[in-house]
Amino acid sequence: NAGVTQTPKFQVLKTGQSMTLQCAQDMNHEYMSWYRQDPGMGLRLIHYSVGAGITDQGEVPNGYNVSRSTTEDFPLRLLSAAPSQTSVYFCASSYGDGYTFGSGTRLTVV
Amino acid sequence: GESVGLHLPTLSVQEGDNSIINCAYSNSASDYFIWYKQESGKGPQFIIDIRSNMDKRQGQRVTVLLNKTVKHLSLQIAATQPGDSAVYFCAENTGTALIFGKGTTLSVSS
Repeated sequence: NAGVTQTPKFQVLKTGQSMTLQCAQDMNHEYMSWYRQDPGMGLRLIHYSVGAGITDQGEVPNGYNVSRSTTEDFPLRLLSAAPSQTSVYFCASSYGDGYTFGSGTRLTVV
Repeated sequence: GESVGLHLPTLSVQEGDNSIINCAYSNSASDYFIWYKQESGKGPQFIIDIRSNMDKRQGQRVTVLLNKTVKHLSLQIAATQPGDSAVYFCAENTGTALIFGKGTTLSVSS
């Protein structure tokens, strides 16, 4: 049972490039969410999903897109990366009570 | 809007002491809170949770207290050990995602 798998673990992007952070869970959880964590800050909610085909914005959604075509996958897309998006990104899945986090993606935008 | 915050960014204790980490929230409708521990380079790890129908909940060496009157909760760690050194976050579970506070760094010296 892998839990929540995030790929890649590390990524360096140039300003303006696009990329997709992958998140997959094998626990059949309905709820999935993306967070970013900046130095000295707590995790901030970017987008979340309550089931396949349903997504909603969190606290800091600007510059990010998501989709949820399957229960298992919840990718996060950066359409045009900016240095302000340099951060550590965590994906989590949940059945409503317990949340399982991935190990994170460390993204640097130069 | 919703916010969850912690009072102190850092806490230093001696091994064997009891540690108390505090958290305040602003939304009186918030009814489910979770404490997380985050070690360097890892995702948040569940410690203990509490719902608004409880004032206190105990786990192994940890106790969470919830004071709904003043919108405050605390995490107490008994007999703190060097392995407890980490960043601790309180988070509100909205039912579909988490709203995190900024975190308290606990340093345990032996």
